[in-house]
Parts: sequence; C-alpha cells; structure tokens
Amino acid sequence: GAGVSQSPRYKVAKRGQDVALRCDPISGHVSLFWYQQALGQGPEFLTYFQNEAQLDKSGLPSDRFFAERPEGSVSTLKIQRTQQEDSAVYLCASSLGGSEFYEQYFGPGTRLTVT
Amino acid sequence: RKEVEQDPGPFNVPEGATVAFNCTYSNSASQSFFWYRQDCRKEPKLLMSVYSSGNEDGRFTAQLNRASQYISLLIRDSKLSDSATYLCVGYSSNTGKLIFGQGTTLQVKP
Repeated sequence: GAGVSQSPRYKVAKRGQDVALRCDPISGHVSLFWYQQALGQGPEFLTYFQNEAQLDKSGLPSDRFFAERPEGSVSTLKIQRTQQEDSAVYLCASSLGGSEFYEQYFGPGTRLTVT
Repeated sequence: RKEVEQDPGPFNVPEGATVAFNCTYSNSASQSFFWYRQDCRKEPKLLMSVYSSGNEDGRFTAQLNRASQYISLLIRDSKLSDSATYLCVGYSSNTGKLIFGQGTTLQVKP
C-alpha cells in the first residue's frame, strides 16, 4: 500500500525565502509527526498532530517555523525567512496512534538547502 | 548531554562477523526503546521494539538494562546488506516523544 509521501523531495532556497513542505500520511493514520535531521545526526522532534489538533510544538526551533494539518490528513511545514542553519532533511512520520505501541512510518523526507 | 547517546562509529566488520552496538540513555522516564535502521539518504525504518528486557528477531537481538540505562543491539552473521546507520530511540512517557540517538554506522565488507 501507499506509504508516507513528502514533497518536494529537494528544495533549494535563498536565505530569506519562505518555503512550504508537504506531507501526505498513510490513510487513516491519526498521528503525524515532523522531525528535522541534520547531517550526521538523528532526527529531532519538531511537532506532533493528532488529527487536526497540534498537540505539541515544543520542538519548533523558532517562530519562523509553523505547521498545520487543517483537515486531519495532509500537513504542511512552513519555514519563513529561511536561514542557513535551517538546511537539513525534514522528515514526516505517521502512525495509527500517538503512544509508543504504534509504529511510526517515515516518509522519504525533504532535503532543504538554504544558500 | 544528549538524552540518548551512541558511538557514531563507523564499525567496519567482515561478512559473517558478530557486531554489537551500545546505546545509553539518561531519562529514566523512558520506558520503551527502539532500534531503527536508516540507509544512506533514505528514511528511518523500524527494526525492533524493546518494551521489556529484550527482543530477538532472527539474527538481531536487542537487550535492555534498566539499572545501567543502556540498550544494546547484536547482529550475528553480518551480511553486506546490513550496512546502514542504526538509530537507538527512546520513548519518553512524560513527553510522549521519540528521542533519537545520533546513530551508529555499520559497514560490512566482503
């Protein structure tokens, strides 16, 4: 079946540009997570949705980062006024539920390069 | 200090070797642990869940030592296809988040 998809797969942005990254979770998955993975590091939690409700956004690094999931399915992560330190792979994951007993399935990620 | 720490490696081993990775965690609120595998430029995929003292799946064995706060992953009879980065992950029950380690890179050579 279809897994988690993300678009675009690659994005090059000039410093100061706004970007929008899209995540299509597995159909029926209630929980959706965004992670940021810097080169040579493990993914770091950014934010978590249960259906359309954003239950945790404590990992968003600054107020330039904003995420939404208005209808409880597709989610968008927006980064305003991109900076070089925003360069990373942005991973989206979805799961049937929010607890540790539900496997998180990851999308292929969006590799963002800010020049 | 990071909540989940791993030796980044790389571990270079010959085919057929047994290799073990250790991972330490600092948050005693973490109750569940996972090993994820991540191939180069790919997404992480769940390899194994560890909810109690350990788990075994074929050539892979994970063990959890709560007293010493470490988790290990043992790979027996290594295959070339085992070459990847192995991410140690803790689930923090007080925040409901997955906390990833830096990852340990394994290269299996012919």
